Amino acid sequence: EDQVTQSPEALRLQEGESSSLNCSYTVSGLRGLFWYRQDPGKGPEFLFTLYSAGEEKEKERLKATLTKKESFLHITAPKPEDSATYLCAVRTDRGSTLGRLYFGRGTQLTVWP
Amino acid sequence: SAVISQKPSRDICQRGTSLTIQCQVDSQVTMMFWYRQQPGQSLTLIATANQGSEATYESGFVIDKFPISRPNLTFSTLTVSNMSPEDSSIYLCSVLGGTHYNEQFFGPGTRLTVL
Repeated sequence: EDQVTQSPEALRLQEGESSSLNCSYTVSGLRGLFWYRQDPGKGPEFLFTLYSAGEEKEKERLKATLTKKESFLHITAPKPEDSATYLCAVRTDRGSTLGRLYFGRGTQLTVWP
Repeated sequence: SAVISQKPSRDICQRGTSLTIQCQVDSQVTMMFWYRQQPGQSLTLIATANQGSEATYESGFVIDKFPISRPNLTFSTLTVSNMSPEDSSIYLCSVLGGTHYNEQFFGPGTRLTVL
């Protein structure tokens, strides 16, 4: 059965303290790994899609990397405005629905000044 | 990126009633998707709504409980029928985007509380 696990569930960082969020997956036929940011009371905001092991993408203080079993979201010198829940999701080749993403439960990041 | 709006943004409903959620996209899209985010749980796909055809439901979701309409390429509705407290969730509309559908966007969500 396809599975996506995110860790830690919650992470508290001081402003400027870099860290990484983990997303491990066990799927048959990965067709994309997606990262989202979700603020309280809002829908997920698309960040990145990664497709193959070794791929990296960056956006401001965020960098996402992908291996054959997991993805990391590295946050460099975070600021309080980076506080949010970060969601990981995978698209697989199971079934024919492109829009079916399997989500993890997210990591709630709090950055305090 | 697609701009998605949903109505209502939140509602509190009584057990046994129904609520229809609207989703509007700023561009024409072939497929629209409805997701549910239960408290403490991961987002889960409910169904895929294609214009001009019946919606396709995921395992565990049925049309009688979650009827969907897709009258045109920019609009869809999801109805939550005969509600119970277990239906209290955030309901989100989603569309594909980007080159080769390499991006997927979500609306702001409808927060539903059933008493």
